[in-house]
Amino acid sequence: ETGVTQTPRHLVMGMTNKKSLKCEQHLGHNAMYWYKQSAKKPLELMFVYNFKEQTENNSVPSRFSPECPNSSHLFLHLHTLQPEDSALYLCASSQGLAGGQNEQFFGPGTRLTVL
Amino acid sequence: SQQGEEDPQALSIQEGENATMNCSYKTSINNLQWYRQNSGRGLVHLILIRSNEREKHSGRLRVTLDTSKKSSSLLITASRAADTASYFCATDPNTGNQFYFGTGTSLTVIP
Repeated sequence: ETGVTQTPRHLVMGMTNKKSLKCEQHLGHNAMYWYKQSAKKPLELMFVYNFKEQTENNSVPSRFSPECPNSSHLFLHLHTLQPEDSALYLCASSQGLAGGQNEQFFGPGTRLTVL
Repeated sequence: SQQGEEDPQALSIQEGENATMNCSYKTSINNLQWYRQNSGRGLVHLILIRSNEREKHSGRLRVTLDTSKKSSSLLITASRAADTASYFCATDPNTGNQFYFGTGTSLTVIP
């Protein structure tokens, strides 16, 4: 148990659906991250939030919409996804951002399948 | 790309043997971290080595860092079946707010 929880653990959705992924951290961290992990590809950073403010958006398509209402919660809203968006979506948190000897704590991930 | 690259991509050893994985990167770094991921799960932090450190130990793990070669190695001694997982290095460059992960080394320890 890393102190970072993600729900749901598995999600199957059609291309016209709208769904949301939720991440919660119980570690008092200030930074939160969304990553996408596809088979045989490096972990792709999608978004970074620090003190609720978005600091990085790595050219993520607008069909992915993040929301960070407070430092403990992070959402990823999904709409009109494509089959190639099927992947494991990982949430992580850290005390501070890169550059401060910070380790990241990861949630278990949401396995997303887009039909 | 600033991402680390692990080598080999896959490694299979007998229980009790040592496993060595390597990571190469391209830019100067603040620190380098190693993570483990069990199948379909989140990553778990193993060890962090700062740019001014050359070697670090944690239990059965030994990490080295050679900043002149921009490379790091992770050694797992006396491997166990429970060590079967994917291992990733993550670089923390001197600029930006991101950590950069590679594609990982898939380790299988055969009982």
